[in-house]
Amino acid sequence: AQSVTQLGSHVSVSEGALVLLRCNYSSSVPPYLFWYVQYPNQGLQLLLKYTSAATLVKGINGFEAEFKKSETSFHLTKPSAHMSDAAEYFCAVSGYGGSQGNLIFGKGTKLSVKP
Amino acid sequence: GAVVSQHPSRVICKSGTSVKIECRSLDFQATTMFWYRQFPKQSLMLMATSNEGSKATYEQGVEKDKFLINHASLTLSTLTVTSAHPEDSSFYICSARAQSGGNSNQPQHFGDGTRLSIL
Repeated sequence: AQSVTQLGSHVSVSEGALVLLRCNYSSSVPPYLFWYVQYPNQGLQLLLKYTSAATLVKGINGFEAEFKKSETSFHLTKPSAHMSDAAEYFCAVSGYGGSQGNLIFGKGTKLSVKP
Repeated sequence: GAVVSQHPSRVICKSGTSVKIECRSLDFQATTMFWYRQFPKQSLMLMATSNEGSKATYEQGVEKDKFLINHASLTLSTLTVTSAHPEDSSFYICSARAQSGGNSNQPQHFGDGTRLSIL
């Protein structure tokens, strides 16, 4: 079985500060990992994905994440937070190795950015 | 690219009404579409996986007779909530994955969700 744990349901940073959102996964097979962002009353937008190529993955809006197998982590970072980054962020792992590829989501981390 | 359109964005209706939600992939063909339910301040819960031309696969605990899914084409899937009751009120989100030869590393692209409120 696969699972995702996001540490911290709410993270608050000041504008311009480093953003770090934590995600740890559990998987019995090589995982595919994703970060999505959700703005209020909207669906999810893909930020970035890890699919066993480079361990440091760059995404949209200046976000990046590093896959660390030894730590079973896939933390999301951004060097300098903007007010527009305030949203809910979900880490997800692909549920199966086969064609279904169901996503299993973490519980989400709400990011607040203070001026 | 990879735009998914979900309609309607909001529905308010009386108890006992059936509600249909559409999910369309606008610029790609989606072999597989997924339907999720999201409760306030919670994560997404997968309800069912829909494959074009075949019956949907429902997750445990999801009533297939209550939540009817049709995936008649590579660009359209529909979710019908039959005889909706207040406890069905929720945020429903669909996603679509492009044809990928069976690889689960292809990302899902999400619609903007439908806020369903049953009075």
